[in-house]
Amino acid sequence: KQEVTQIPAALSVPEGENLVLNCSFTDSAIYNLQWFRQDPGKGLTSLLLIQSSQREQTSGRLNASLDKSSGRSTLYIAASQPGDSATYLCAVTNGNKLVFGAGTILRVKS
Amino acid sequence: DTAVSQTPKYLVTQMGNDKSIKCEQNLGHDTMYWYKQDSKKFLKIMFSYNNKELIINETVPNRFSPKSPDKAHLNLHINSLELGDSAVYFCASSQDLADRNNEQFFGPGTRLTVL
Repeated sequence: KQEVTQIPAALSVPEGENLVLNCSFTDSAIYNLQWFRQDPGKGLTSLLLIQSSQREQTSGRLNASLDKSSGRSTLYIAASQPGDSATYLCAVTNGNKLVFGAGTILRVKS
Repeated sequence: DTAVSQTPKYLVTQMGNDKSIKCEQNLGHDTMYWYKQDSKKFLKIMFSYNNKELIINETVPNRFSPKSPDKAHLNLHINSLELGDSAVYFCASSQDLADRNNEQFFGPGTRLTVL
């Protein structure tokens, strides 16, 4: 059974810092890995999708890496801003479904 | 021009009632999903449908019955609501089955409160 773990559970940083969110999964037989952002009381916004054959994806200040064999992914956020404050969710596609981690709550202080 | 929409956004009801949540996607996708996010914010798949055919039923009580009248709609009907059904329910869609490397797009969620 696939399990997804995200570390840390919560993170508070000053504005401008670069930061890394970690995601690990127990079954490396995944099709892809997706990073989402969830704002309080809102839905999920897809940030990046990494196919199982890829090592990383970049979008603006975000860079996500995938090491499928070791069951790890990181989301790197450069020059963090208060608007980046949200919950970040990692999810892997196993079979025909997404399996989610519990999320990392990020707070960027101005 | 919302891609994945859900109604209602909030639903407050009494135990024992029957209620429905509607979901529509205008992305032309073939696959739709329902997820439940509990009080601990943990998201878990409930159902997925591909071209109106049930693909996944993740050991959800049979009080929950999804209905897909066409591939753009996946509604969730819940009978005999219980306190433990209180959660946020998210609808999502993807171009094809999840194992075809498709990005999933989520609706805004429906917050269900059972009193």
